[in-house]
Amino acid sequence: EVQLMESGGDLVQPGGSLRLSCAASGFTFSNFWMHWVRQAPGKGLVWVARLNQDGRVINYADSVKGRFTISRDNAKGTLFLQMSSLRVEDTALYYCAKDLSGRHDSWGQGTLVTVSS
Amino acid sequence: DIVVTQSPLSLPVTPGEPASISCRSSQSLLHRNGDTFLAWYLQKPGQSPQVLIYLASNRASGVPDRFSGSGSGTDFTLKISRVEAEDVGVYYCMQALQTPYSFGQGTKLEIK
Repeated sequence: EVQLMESGGDLVQPGGSLRLSCAASGFTFSNFWMHWVRQAPGKGLVWVARLNQDGRVINYADSVKGRFTISRDNAKGTLFLQMSSLRVEDTALYYCAKDLSGRHDSWGQGTLVTVSS
Repeated sequence: DIVVTQSPLSLPVTPGEPASISCRSSQSLLHRNGDTFLAWYLQKPGQSPQVLIYLASNRASGVPDRFSGSGSGTDFTLKISRVEAEDVGVYYCMQALQTPYSFGQGTKLEIK
């Protein structure tokens, strides 16, 4: 069974940093593109970033470009999102998702990031 | 960037009745390989999203056959042939043709 387990969410002040992790199991992690998607409280889904199997092809939403860094450790089956210069508007539930032919076929339960002073 | 627009945003439905959600993209989602990169997701209350339809019309594994996706180019539709109580939640379409991927605003389906 595919499982994705996010962690690392916390309350952080504006301008601060945070590192999210997503532990994958139940599939060959190194074979798949992976994504981060976020959802602000009571709002819709917003795509954040993706990277390919070896981590060399990376794309970001404009709203996070230059502030967030997506990466992966295939040996440990883990996806990361390093977040810096955090803003109030980055407050959201952050999901990691597995990619299969242009769809997110598996999602984690999400980890909550709150940016507030 | 591709903009994706859904309608309606709210959809009250009587159990057993059909339902339909529209999704339009600002440019064609047809890839040169012939696939159309449009997916539909359902987010049930308190849960993570789950994929229903991919490549515009392919039902994901385990999805009941009362769900169907159709459309091409820039116009797409998700249809539920007979709504059941367990279908409540917010439905999203998402384009995956090019980054940044983009979701529609979401359609909240509720039972009358």
